[in-house]
Amino acid sequence: DAMVIQNPRYQVTQFGKPVTLSCSQTLNHNVMYWYQQKSSQAPKLLFHYYDKDFNNEADTPDNFQSRRPNTSFCFLDIRSPGLGDAAMYLCATSRDRARETQYFGPGTRLLVL
Amino acid sequence: SQQGEEDPQALSIQEGENATMNCSYKTSINNLQWYRQNSGRGLVHLILIRSNEREKHSGRLRVTLDTSKKSSSLLITASRAADTASYFCATDQFDRGSTLGRLYFGRGTQLTVWP
Repeated sequence: DAMVIQNPRYQVTQFGKPVTLSCSQTLNHNVMYWYQQKSSQAPKLLFHYYDKDFNNEADTPDNFQSRRPNTSFCFLDIRSPGLGDAAMYLCATSRDRARETQYFGPGTRLLVL
Repeated sequence: SQQGEEDPQALSIQEGENATMNCSYKTSINNLQWYRQNSGRGLVHLILIRSNEREKHSGRLRVTLDTSKKSSSLLITASRAADTASYFCATDQFDRGSTLGRLYFGRGTQLTVWP
């Protein structure tokens, strides 16, 4: 029944060691989003895909990259994690550009040592 | 900032009481949504209210929207301990020159319901 799946749920990495977080969806939605959420803060949109079109937020650091090889999967790559990148990373989907409900995965908690 | 702002930041009540959370925003919107987040989990969509609607109900939830005041409220009636969570409002705002959908989230209200 899981609709938006994120793996792993917890990820520990070392300072500067590249890490990849994954997201998959069974909803066949066109849009997939990546958010970063730090403790007691609002989710912050990093980027999103509409189908294969990539849309980066202006303030997303170059250290963060994303790939969407097909409709179902989307990856978040952090090339050189810093201590400040420790956060919950949330993947979400929505049906199309119609700005409707977003469906979130359970999140991946990233710890940087 | 284009974020919505929730008020209060934290709310603590007893089971059976009603909980009211407010959200204010700054620009014109297409719709406003409320989400719930249990500790360490993803967000769950609760309710969406469009800019031409004034009130919506879903079970024990009641949402109002006042576009003239740029504010919304979420009322949870007869609260339960299981309602303990963070509640976020998110606004779908008009982005000039863009047709892409994105939401602007507030920082949330942490609701604690004591048994």
